[in-house]
Amino acid sequence: DIQLTQSPSSLSASVGDTVTITCQASHDISKSLSWYQQKPGKAPNLLIYDASNLETGVPSRFSGSGSETHFSFTISNLQPEDVATYYCHQYDNLPITFGQGTRLEIK
Amino acid sequence: EVQLLESGGGLQQPGGSLRLSCVASGFTFNTYAMNWVRQAPGKGLEWVGGISGSGGSTYYADSVKGRFTISRDNSKDTLYLQMNNLRAEDTALYYCAKDQRSGWYGNSPPLHWGQGTLVTVSS
Repeated sequence: DIQLTQSPSSLSASVGDTVTITCQASHDISKSLSWYQQKPGKAPNLLIYDASNLETGVPSRFSGSGSETHFSFTISNLQPEDVATYYCHQYDNLPITFGQGTRLEIK
Repeated sequence: EVQLLESGGGLQQPGGSLRLSCVASGFTFNTYAMNWVRQAPGKGLEWVGGISGSGGSTYYADSVKGRFTISRDNSKDTLYLQMNNLRAEDTALYYCAKDQRSGWYGNSPPLHWGQGTLVTVSS
């Protein structure tokens, strides 16, 4: 199984800041990685697919990069509505796996 | 507009069974692979399994293999999850989710998700 290790597990930042979350895969997954945002009581929302492609309708301040085993996700100009838990997710190999999540708070 | 509506959750005793349903609308159901993903209270996301658009191929997490069965009825635009021999650790909110791209299973991440149905396994 491919393990995804996200870091940090939580972070706190101010409005307008830039934050970055990393996701390390235990094996090469090419670019088959996505990022989800999940707000409390809501279903996950796909933000980034294929490592760096922005899903339709997602603000451009969200971005992703990386390939093989090292990936990152960045939010620029952090907004209050970005408070959520963020998950990386790999779909290169079965079983499909998710990172453990990063809880983002606003200072 | 894509809509996914899950139902069938509830309280069940350990060892019992439940069948979850997910009615889909707003897209050509039989051209998309579908997924079940669960989330235990206060925990992260866990892939349960998936099924190809035709229903001919199914895939499962080791944690549910042999106990859960995924199926679909493309004439009714409905996805199912038959859950047998339930355990306390199966307690979770169960989401059905549609792949982003049509085609073979696993070629894209889930894009559209339902709101989930809660399964509680307890005596």
